[in-house]
Amino acid sequence: EVKLLESGGGLVQPGGSLRLSCAASGFTFTDFYMNWIRQPAERAPEWLDFIRHKASGYTTEYNPSVKGRFTISRDNTQNMLYLQMNTLRAEDTATYYCARGDYPGWFAYWGQGTLVTVSS
Amino acid sequence: EIVLTQSPTTMAASPGEKVTITCRASSSVSYIHWYQQKPGASPKPWIYDTSKLASGVPNRFSGSGSGTSYSLTISSMETEDTATYYCQQWSSKSPYTFGAGTKLELK
Repeated sequence: EVKLLESGGGLVQPGGSLRLSCAASGFTFTDFYMNWIRQPAERAPEWLDFIRHKASGYTTEYNPSVKGRFTISRDNTQNMLYLQMNTLRAEDTATYYCARGDYPGWFAYWGQGTLVTVSS
Repeated sequence: EIVLTQSPTTMAASPGEKVTITCRASSSVSYIHWYQQKPGASPKPWIYDTSKLASGVPNRFSGSGSGTSYSLTISSMETEDTATYYCQQWSSKSPYTFGAGTKLELK
């Protein structure tokens, strides 16, 4: 069974940093793109970034809305996905999900999410 | 960035009624996918590549469309179908984007 479990969310002050983690299990981690997606309360999801699979050299792509502030990475020995978020703003407040990428752009599995609140 | 416009924003349907949700893209897209989300839960993969049902999705659901116009249809509304539905696109020319969602309620 595919499982994705995010952690690391919480309350952070504007301008601060936070690192989210996603523990993956139930599949061959290196075979899949992995994504971060966020969703502010009562709004649509927003795709943030992905990191490609082994066959594509684990390269990354970012949504311009977070490029330069957020960094996605993976530890393939531990089946872990990470999101380093810097210079956080109030508008970054949202539930953050990791998601496995299957078919082109298809988020076939999602975690339960971790809430990030940016506020003073 | 490709913008997806869903309509209607909210709607109510009676049990047994046919439901159609549309999703229009600002430019032609390569793939359209759909997700179902209920309050307090993560989005659930629902329909991928325009018309393929995800595992466990009832066959009263269907998807269709091409180019810039797509739709999700429920042939006969059931109580459990109340949820918000989001379309999402993949195109090599744009970041992945989602529509604003259609909230489907029971009449």
